[in-house]
Amino acid sequence: QVQLVESGGGVVQPGRSLRLSCVASGYTFRNYGMHWVRQAPGKGLEWVAVIWYDGSKRYYTDAVKGRFTISRDDSKNTLYLQMNSLRVEDTAVYYCARDPGDNGNFYFDYWGQGTLATVSS
Amino acid sequence: QSVLTQPPSVSGAPGQKITISCTGSSSNIGAGYYVHWYQQLPGAAPKLLIYDTVNRPSGVPDRFSGSRSGTSASLAITGLQGEDEADYYCQTHDSSLSGLVVFGGGTKLTVL
Repeated sequence: QVQLVESGGGVVQPGRSLRLSCVASGYTFRNYGMHWVRQAPGKGLEWVAVIWYDGSKRYYTDAVKGRFTISRDDSKNTLYLQMNSLRVEDTAVYYCARDPGDNGNFYFDYWGQGTLATVSS
Repeated sequence: QSVLTQPPSVSGAPGQKITISCTGSSSNIGAGYYVHWYQQLPGAAPKLLIYDTVNRPSGVPDRFSGSRSGTSASLAITGLQGEDEADYYCQTHDSSLSGLVVFGGGTKLTVL
């Protein structure tokens, strides 16, 4: 069965960095685009970033452009999110999610359990 | 402020039918982009409920259905059950934004 397991969250000070990981299993990882979606405490879902199935394209929400980098290592079935220059408003549970869509129809059929990143002084 | 507008809360008694609206604009739902719905139970990750506006993934009961009209989409739940108490989110693409994915603000469903 498809499983996505995130890790790497924790408590960091503003301006510092964190790298989140998401290990996929139960399917052919290299065939699917992958996303990061976050949810601030008590708030709704916010899309963060996407990487194409072949790594050829990456897109970000404006709030993280220039600070976050999404990447993937298909040899390890792992998705990453490098988060630099963290701000208090980046505090959230970060979910990785698989995208089965095509032709620009993005959606998420499997989600990880999430990892909490807390930015606080 | 979400690009897609959902009511903050809806409620219904067991066995009843409720609908959750998702109001967008001509640059997202009105442009014909597919709408997708997710259910998030308390303390859990979101789960895909409806994809491509009207389709249910395997395992999702047919009590859940999706539709679209103009610049809005709706999620209907019939035969309401206590286990349906959750947050529900709509999601689509918006051509006027640099981001590729937009979510509604979410709707809290309470089963009375």
